[in-house]
Amino acid sequence: QVTLKESGPVLVKATETLTLTCTVSGFSLSDPRMSVSWIRQPPGKALQWLALISSKGEKSYNTSMKSRLTISKDTSKSQVVLTMINVDPVDTATYYCAQIEGEMSTTFEFWGQGTLVTVSS
Amino acid sequence: SYVLTQPPSVSVAPGQTARITCGGNNIESKSVHWYQQKPGQAPVLVVYDDSDRPSGIPERFSGSNSGNAATLTVSRVEAGDEADYYCQVWDGSRDQYVFGPGTEVTVL
Repeated sequence: QVTLKESGPVLVKATETLTLTCTVSGFSLSDPRMSVSWIRQPPGKALQWLALISSKGEKSYNTSMKSRLTISKDTSKSQVVLTMINVDPVDTATYYCAQIEGEMSTTFEFWGQGTLVTVSS
Repeated sequence: SYVLTQPPSVSVAPGQTARITCGGNNIESKSVHWYQQKPGQAPVLVVYDDSDRPSGIPERFSGSNSGNAATLTVSRVEAGDEADYYCQVWDGSRDQYVFGPGTEVTVL
């Protein structure tokens, strides 16, 4: 059974660095078929893709946010970490991690429950 | 950047058919995926690769993709289908995953 669970601070201050962790189970981050993404959703707004890391460690980022994001993984801990620097109140959102299975797939098949992060000014 | 469009809202009576469109330039050349999101919950995949259903998703959910629009069709709508629906594609030319703005489906 595939599960993903996000964790991190509930509240951060503007200009600080946000670090979120996605802990996965039911699959290995070294499985060549598996990739993990971070996706966020501001309150009442649409989903926005942020970043992806493949089993090979290849990384992709939302073009508009690339300068502020870093995605990494620790296969031994089954964790994928997203770091966002210089946060702003507009970064207030629920942050989800999601799995893509299949080397040619572009589908977010399984999602975590999400974690709400509030950025205060 | 590749842009997807969706109607903000769709209303449908129980037992009827809801059709939600997702517009994009030559979207038929891309694989379109659809997610259902109920209030306070994470999105759930309901259709992938234009028209395939994950296991556990009722046959009432179907998809199609042609020209500049993809469509998610929900047949015999039930009260439990009330949710926001998002389409999503991968823009391979820029290696970007793109979501539509979402459509709120209301069951009358």
